[in-house]
Amino acid sequence: KAGVTQTPRYLIKTRGQQVTLSCSPISGHRSVSWYQQTPGQGLQFLFEYFSETQRNKGNFPGRFSGRQFSNSRSEMNVSTLELGDSALYLCASSPQVGVGGNTIYFGEGSWLTVV
Amino acid sequence: AQSVTQLDSQVPVFEEAPVELRCNYSSSVSVYLFWYVQYPNQGLQLLLKYLSGSTLVKGINGFEAEFNKSQTSFHLRKPSVHISDTAEYFCAVIPAGTASKLTFGTGTRLQVTL
Repeated sequence: KAGVTQTPRYLIKTRGQQVTLSCSPISGHRSVSWYQQTPGQGLQFLFEYFSETQRNKGNFPGRFSGRQFSNSRSEMNVSTLELGDSALYLCASSPQVGVGGNTIYFGEGSWLTVV
Repeated sequence: AQSVTQLDSQVPVFEEAPVELRCNYSSSVSVYLFWYVQYPNQGLQLLLKYLSGSTLVKGINGFEAEFNKSQTSFHLRKPSVHISDTAEYFCAVIPAGTASKLTFGTGTRLQVTL
């Protein structure tokens, strides 16, 4: 069974540009969430999607957005990139929302460097 | 809201020695607790989780953790570490019965040396 797949793994962008990151959850998982990991702020929750609907959102500016498709694949977008957006972006999937005990599986992450 | 405190940012230990990584949490509601491990340049891998029942939870790679409700702690232990256990370890919580919004601690870097 394939794990959570994130693409691209590494990318470099310039300030002011935008970026789109992609996530394919484990087959059968319908909940996808995104986290940002930085040395200064640690692991922070961005948002969660279930059945193409955003169920939860963290404290990030509106430049950070996401969506989920009917096949549960998800994308997140960051517009008008800032240097501080340089981070590891982790996608996670779980079988369903509302049942907190389900194991949450993480992908390898997408390393974003903003220059 | 929930918060997680990992008091030790780094824990150096010799191979084959025991280790304990500490985790304390704060929450006004019941929570589920998790330990994840992150190896260099990789994502997070679940080590173990506590949902309910027995307070001693066994996970992968010989790790175990004990839930202590009165002390709001969930410390991770391993009786004998290996060089390959060198990694970053994260404690996390979720309000019981809610969506998957994990609140993480700041992590503990376990450095195992010969």
